[in-house]
Amino acid sequence: DTEVTQTPKHLVMGMTNKKSLKCEQHMGHRAMYWYKQKAKKPPELMFVYSYEKLSINESVPSRFSPECPNSSLLNLHLHALQPEDSALYLCASRRVGAEAFFGQGTRLTVV
Amino acid sequence: KQEVTQIPAALSVPEGENLVLNCSFTDSAIYNLQWFRQDPGKGLTSLLLIQSSQREQTSGRLNASLDKSSGRSTLYIAASQPGDSATYLCAVTRLHFAGGTSYGKLTFGQGTILTVHP
Repeated sequence: DTEVTQTPKHLVMGMTNKKSLKCEQHMGHRAMYWYKQKAKKPPELMFVYSYEKLSINESVPSRFSPECPNSSLLNLHLHALQPEDSALYLCASRRVGAEAFFGQGTRLTVV
Repeated sequence: KQEVTQIPAALSVPEGENLVLNCSFTDSAIYNLQWFRQDPGKGLTSLLLIQSSQREQTSGRLNASLDKSSGRSTLYIAASQPGDSATYLCAVTRLHFAGGTSYGKLTFGQGTILTVHP
Protein backbone atom coordinates (compact mmCIF):
# COMPACT_ATOMS: atom_id res chain seq x y z
CA ASP A 1 0.00 0.00 0.00
CA THR A 2 1.63 3.22 -1.19
CA GLU A 3 -1.37 5.42 -0.71
CA VAL A 4 -1.68 8.81 0.93
CA THR A 5 -5.36 9.67 1.40
CA GLN A 6 -6.56 13.24 1.64
CA THR A 7 -10.04 14.40 2.55
CA PRO A 8 -12.02 16.24 1.42
CA LYS A 9 -11.19 16.38 -2.29
CA HIS A 10 -12.88 19.75 -2.69
CA LEU A 11 -13.68 22.44 -0.12
CA VAL A 12 -15.37 25.80 -0.46
CA MET A 13 -15.25 28.00 2.61
CA GLY A 14 -16.04 31.55 3.57
CA MET A 15 -13.46 33.87 5.05
CA THR A 16 -14.96 33.54 8.54
CA ASN A 17 -15.24 29.76 8.50
CA LYS A 18 -13.14 27.19 10.30
CA LYS A 19 -12.40 23.97 8.46
CA SER A 20 -9.84 21.17 8.54
CA LEU A 21 -8.02 19.14 5.93
CA LYS A 22 -7.09 15.57 6.73
CA CYS A 23 -4.26 13.35 5.50
CA GLU A 24 -3.72 9.69 6.33
CA GLN A 25 -1.05 7.12 5.46
CA HIS A 26 -0.39 3.60 6.70
CA MET A 27 3.08 3.02 5.27
CA GLY A 28 4.89 3.62 8.54
CA HIS A 29 6.39 6.85 7.27
CA ARG A 30 7.57 9.13 10.06
CA ALA A 31 7.95 12.30 7.97
CA MET A 32 4.77 14.02 6.77
CA TYR A 33 4.44 17.23 4.80
CA TRP A 34 1.92 19.88 3.79
CA TYR A 35 2.41 21.67 0.48
CA LYS A 36 0.46 24.44 -1.22
CA GLN A 37 0.26 24.56 -4.99
CA LYS A 38 -1.06 27.42 -7.10
CA ALA A 39 -2.00 26.95 -10.74
CA LYS A 40 0.93 26.30 -13.08
CA LYS A 41 3.44 26.47 -10.21
CA PRO A 42 5.36 23.75 -8.40
CA PRO A 43 4.35 22.76 -4.86
CA GLU A 44 5.57 25.05 -2.06
CA LEU A 45 6.49 23.54 1.27
CA MET A 46 4.42 24.70 4.24
CA PHE A 47 5.11 22.34 7.14
CA VAL A 48 7.15 19.25 7.94
CA TYR A 49 6.45 16.83 10.75
CA SER A 50 9.12 14.34 11.72
CA TYR A 51 8.20 11.70 14.30
CA GLU A 52 5.01 13.65 15.10
CA LYS A 53 6.97 16.80 15.94
CA LEU A 54 6.82 19.97 13.88
CA SER A 55 10.25 20.26 12.31
CA ILE A 56 9.75 23.12 9.93
CA ASN A 57 7.29 25.93 9.39
CA GLU A 58 8.09 27.79 6.19
CA SER A 59 6.87 31.15 7.55
CA VAL A 60 3.25 30.16 7.01
CA PRO A 61 0.59 32.59 8.34
CA SER A 62 -1.02 31.57 11.63
CA ARG A 63 -4.41 31.16 9.95
CA PHE A 64 -2.98 27.75 8.92
CA SER A 65 -2.48 25.48 11.92
CA PRO A 66 -1.01 21.99 11.45
CA GLU A 67 -1.53 19.07 13.79
CA CYS A 68 -0.09 15.56 13.85
CA PRO A 69 -2.21 13.49 16.31
CA ASN A 70 -0.32 10.26 15.60
CA SER A 71 2.16 8.74 13.16
CA SER A 72 -0.53 8.06 10.53
CA LEU A 73 -2.53 11.27 10.60
CA LEU A 74 -1.84 14.85 9.65
CA ASN A 75 -4.38 17.66 9.86
CA LEU A 76 -4.34 21.22 8.61
CA HIS A 77 -6.74 23.52 10.45
CA LEU A 78 -7.92 26.57 8.54
CA HIS A 79 -9.36 29.74 10.02
CA ALA A 80 -10.03 33.21 8.64
CA LEU A 81 -8.52 32.46 5.27
CA GLN A 82 -8.20 34.94 2.43
CA PRO A 83 -9.21 34.43 -1.21
CA GLU A 84 -5.52 34.27 -2.15
CA ASP A 85 -5.26 31.12 -0.05
CA SER A 86 -7.31 29.29 -2.67
CA ALA A 87 -5.06 26.55 -4.03
CA LEU A 88 -4.46 22.81 -4.18
CA TYR A 89 -3.20 21.56 -0.82
CA LEU A 90 -1.06 18.45 -1.00
CA CYS A 91 0.02 16.08 1.71
CA ALA A 92 3.09 13.86 1.35
CA SER A 93 4.88 11.25 3.42
CA ARG A 94 8.16 9.39 3.24
CA ARG A 95 10.73 7.42 5.18
CA VAL A 96 13.82 9.53 5.80
CA GLY A 97 15.63 9.95 2.51
CA ALA A 98 13.38 7.53 0.66
CA GLU A 99 10.71 7.94 -1.99
CA ALA A 100 8.10 10.61 -1.28
CA PHE A 101 4.43 9.77 -1.85
CA PHE A 102 1.78 12.42 -2.39
CA GLY A 103 -1.96 12.40 -1.91
CA GLN A 104 -4.45 13.56 -4.54
CA GLY A 105 -4.84 16.90 -2.85
CA THR A 106 -7.67 19.07 -1.57
CA ARG A 107 -8.85 21.78 -3.94
CA LEU A 108 -9.63 24.72 -1.62
CA THR A 109 -11.66 27.73 -2.70
CA VAL A 110 -12.05 30.65 -0.30
CA VAL A 111 -15.00 32.92 -1.07
CA LYS B 1 20.02 27.89 -1.67
CA GLN B 2 19.14 24.98 -3.95
CA GLU B 3 17.67 25.93 -7.31
CA VAL B 4 16.17 23.42 -9.70
CA THR B 5 15.58 24.23 -13.36
CA GLN B 6 13.67 22.19 -15.90
CA ILE B 7 14.01 22.51 -19.67
CA PRO B 8 11.95 22.74 -21.78
CA ALA B 9 9.04 24.45 -20.03
CA ALA B 10 6.64 22.89 -22.53
CA LEU B 11 6.92 20.22 -25.18
CA SER B 12 4.44 19.09 -27.83
CA VAL B 13 5.23 15.93 -29.81
CA PRO B 14 3.42 13.45 -32.06
CA GLU B 15 2.66 10.03 -30.69
CA GLY B 16 5.49 7.51 -30.95
CA GLU B 17 8.39 9.92 -30.49
CA ASN B 18 11.16 9.33 -28.00
CA LEU B 19 11.76 12.38 -25.86
CA VAL B 20 14.06 13.78 -23.20
CA LEU B 21 13.21 16.08 -20.32
CA ASN B 22 16.02 17.89 -18.56
CA CYS B 23 16.53 18.88 -14.94
CA SER B 24 19.48 20.75 -13.44
CA PHE B 25 20.24 21.68 -9.85
CA THR B 26 22.76 24.08 -8.34
CA ASP B 27 23.81 22.28 -5.15
CA SER B 28 25.22 18.79 -5.74
CA ALA B 29 24.90 17.82 -2.06
CA ILE B 30 21.65 15.99 -2.66
CA TYR B 31 20.42 12.78 -1.08
CA ASN B 32 18.31 11.70 -4.03
CA LEU B 33 16.34 12.96 -7.02
CA GLN B 34 12.77 12.07 -7.83
CA TRP B 35 10.70 12.47 -10.98
CA PHE B 36 6.95 13.02 -10.64
CA ARG B 37 4.02 13.23 -12.98
CA GLN B 38 1.05 15.51 -12.31
CA ASP B 39 -2.24 15.47 -14.20
CA PRO B 40 -4.29 18.70 -14.14
CA GLY B 41 -5.82 19.33 -10.73
CA LYS B 42 -4.44 16.10 -9.32
CA GLY B 43 -1.72 15.08 -6.92
CA LEU B 44 1.82 14.02 -7.77
CA THR B 45 2.57 10.48 -8.89
CA SER B 46 6.09 9.26 -8.25
CA LEU B 47 7.72 7.90 -11.40
CA LEU B 48 11.33 7.21 -10.50
CA LEU B 49 13.66 7.74 -7.57
CA ILE B 50 17.42 7.89 -8.07
CA GLN B 51 19.65 7.79 -5.01
CA SER B 52 22.72 10.03 -5.12
CA SER B 53 24.98 6.99 -5.45
CA GLN B 54 23.11 5.71 -8.52
CA ARG B 55 23.51 6.69 -12.17
CA GLU B 56 20.14 5.65 -13.56
CA GLN B 57 16.81 3.99 -12.91
CA THR B 58 14.35 2.40 -15.31
CA SER B 59 10.65 1.69 -15.12
CA GLY B 60 8.90 0.47 -18.25
CA ARG B 61 9.25 3.11 -20.98
CA LEU B 62 10.88 5.55 -18.56
CA ASN B 63 14.58 5.90 -17.88
CA ALA B 64 16.09 8.52 -15.61
CA SER B 65 19.77 9.32 -15.31
CA LEU B 66 21.65 11.30 -12.72
CA ASP B 67 25.01 13.06 -12.97
CA LYS B 68 25.38 14.43 -9.49
CA SER B 69 28.74 16.10 -10.03
CA SER B 70 27.43 18.20 -12.92
CA GLY B 71 24.04 18.77 -11.31
CA ARG B 72 21.95 17.19 -14.05
CA SER B 73 19.25 14.60 -14.53
CA THR B 74 17.35 13.54 -17.61
CA LEU B 75 14.08 11.68 -17.97
CA TYR B 76 13.84 9.68 -21.17
CA ILE B 77 10.38 8.59 -22.37
CA ALA B 78 10.34 5.99 -25.11
CA ALA B 79 7.57 5.64 -27.68
CA SER B 80 5.42 8.42 -26.23
CA GLN B 81 1.63 7.99 -26.02
CA PRO B 82 -1.23 10.49 -25.62
CA GLY B 83 -1.70 9.14 -22.10
CA ASP B 84 1.76 10.46 -21.24
CA SER B 85 0.43 14.03 -21.53
CA ALA B 86 0.94 15.66 -18.14
CA THR B 87 3.29 17.96 -16.23
CA TYR B 88 6.57 16.33 -15.25
CA LEU B 89 8.33 17.62 -12.16
CA CYS B 90 11.78 16.82 -10.89
CA ALA B 91 12.65 17.33 -7.24
CA VAL B 92 15.88 16.96 -5.29
CA THR B 93 16.08 15.98 -1.64
CA ARG B 94 18.50 17.27 0.95
CA LEU B 95 18.50 15.85 4.44
CA HIS B 96 17.85 18.25 7.30
CA PHE B 97 18.21 17.72 11.02
CA ALA B 98 15.98 19.26 13.67
CA GLY B 99 15.03 18.33 17.21
CA GLY B 100 17.09 15.15 17.15
CA THR B 101 15.42 13.79 14.01
CA SER B 102 16.11 14.03 10.33
CA TYR B 103 13.82 14.57 7.38
CA GLY B 104 14.16 15.04 3.65
CA LYS B 105 13.27 18.38 2.11
CA LEU B 106 12.18 18.40 -1.52
CA THR B 107 13.03 21.29 -3.85
CA PHE B 108 11.01 21.24 -7.07
CA GLY B 109 11.70 22.47 -10.55
CA GLN B 110 9.03 24.47 -12.39
CA GLY B 111 8.00 21.45 -14.43
CA THR B 112 7.74 20.51 -18.10
CA ILE B 113 4.26 20.45 -19.61
CA LEU B 114 4.17 17.55 -22.07
CA THR B 115 1.51 17.15 -24.74
CA VAL B 116 1.54 14.03 -26.92
CA HIS B 117 -0.94 14.29 -29.78
CA PRO B 118 -2.29 11.34 -31.74
